[in-house]
This record gives sequence, structure tokens and C-alpha cells, in this order.
Amino acid sequence: DIQMTQSPASLSASLGETVSIECLASEGISNDLAWYQQKSGKSPQLLIYAASRLQDGVPSRFSGSGSGTRYSLKISGMQPEDEADYFCQQSYKYPFTFGSGTKLEIK
Amino acid sequence: QVQLKESGPGLVQPSQTLSLTCTVSGFSLTSYNVHWVRQPPGKGLEWMGRMRYNGDTSYNSALKSRLSISRDTSKNQVFLKMNSLQTDDTGTYYCTREFGVRRVFDYWGQGVMVTVSS
Repeated sequence: DIQMTQSPASLSASLGETVSIECLASEGISNDLAWYQQKSGKSPQLLIYAASRLQDGVPSRFSGSGSGTRYSLKISGMQPEDEADYFCQQSYKYPFTFGSGTKLEIK
Repeated sequence: QVQLKESGPGLVQPSQTLSLTCTVSGFSLTSYNVHWVRQPPGKGLEWMGRMRYNGDTSYNSALKSRLSISRDTSKNQVFLKMNSLQTDDTGTYYCTREFGVRRVFDYWGQGVMVTVSS
């Protein structure tokens, strides 16, 4: 199985601050990487797919980058509504696997 | 619009079988793949398995011996059955729709919380 190592586990940011979350795959996943946001008590919501493509309706302050085994999610200008858990997920090979998550809080 | 909704018992006794239903609307099960994903309380997400648009299934090898996914296209429903439940099977179970060549999950159900306890 492809292991997805996500860091950091938790992060605290001030409003307006830029934050980054990283995912490292145990093997190359050819940009088959998605990022999801999960607010407390809610279902995950797709933010980014194909490593860098913004899902319809997602604010442009969210962006994704990376290739091969290393990928990152950036939030340019933290907003109150961005407080949530974030997960990466590879869909390159079955079983699909997720990162362990990053808890993002407002400082 | 696209919707998925999970239903099933909130409480299951250890060693018993879990049966969940995902009822979908706004799309056809013969055109899209539907997956099951679960999440233990306060923890991360685990992919469980998939019902393909053509009826084929795929399972997480860690669960394969206990898990079965089926469907009824006439009722727009996908079913999950998992036997020999233990306390670490406690969590929220989601069904989700797969979209596109990148196989991302673009719509999720609200989830159903399942507690395994006597």
C-alpha cells in the first residue's frame, strides 16, 4: 500500500497568515493527489485534485503544488472559516490512502 | 442535485454484522463509482471499498475478508456489509462519489456514526 505521510499534525495561524501543509508519498503517485477540508462534525469536502487543480467553488487562496512523491497545500491568507482538518489522498493505486491529517486552528 | 445519504443502525454488538445503505440521487449508479470511507472518532480517513459503475467491486485488503459491497440500481442504493465487528470498527461511515480520471471524491454523504459496543 502507498503510505501518505502528512505534516504537520497541527498548525496554528493568525488571520491573514499564509500556511502550508505537506504530504509525502511512499512512492511516486503521478499527481494523483487530492486535498480535502473537513470542518468539525462535517463530511470532507474536495479542495484540490490532480495536485494543483482547484475544485469549483473553492476560494482562490487555496492552492496545491508538487510532483512525484512530494505535494503541498497552501492557504494564502488564513480566514476564520479555514479552521478545519485537512487531509491528502492518493488515487494512483488501490487501496486509496489518506494522510493522517492536519488540524489547522486560528491563533 | 447530487446527494448521497447513509443509513443504518447506530449501535452494533461486538461480533455482529454491520449493514449500511447509501441512497443516492442526482446521478446514476451505472455511470459513477461509489466508495465507502470510514473515520474512527478523532482520527483519519480509511478507504474501505468501491462499487464500480459496471457492478465490479474492489476492497481494502485489510478488510476484504469481512467486507461486502453490493447495489440495487433500481433503488439507487449501494450496500455495505461487514461482519465480525469489533470495538475498533467504531466510527463514522461515509459513502462518496468518485469523479473523473483522477478518481477524486467530489460528493460525500453526511456520514453515519456506528458504535460497536455491548
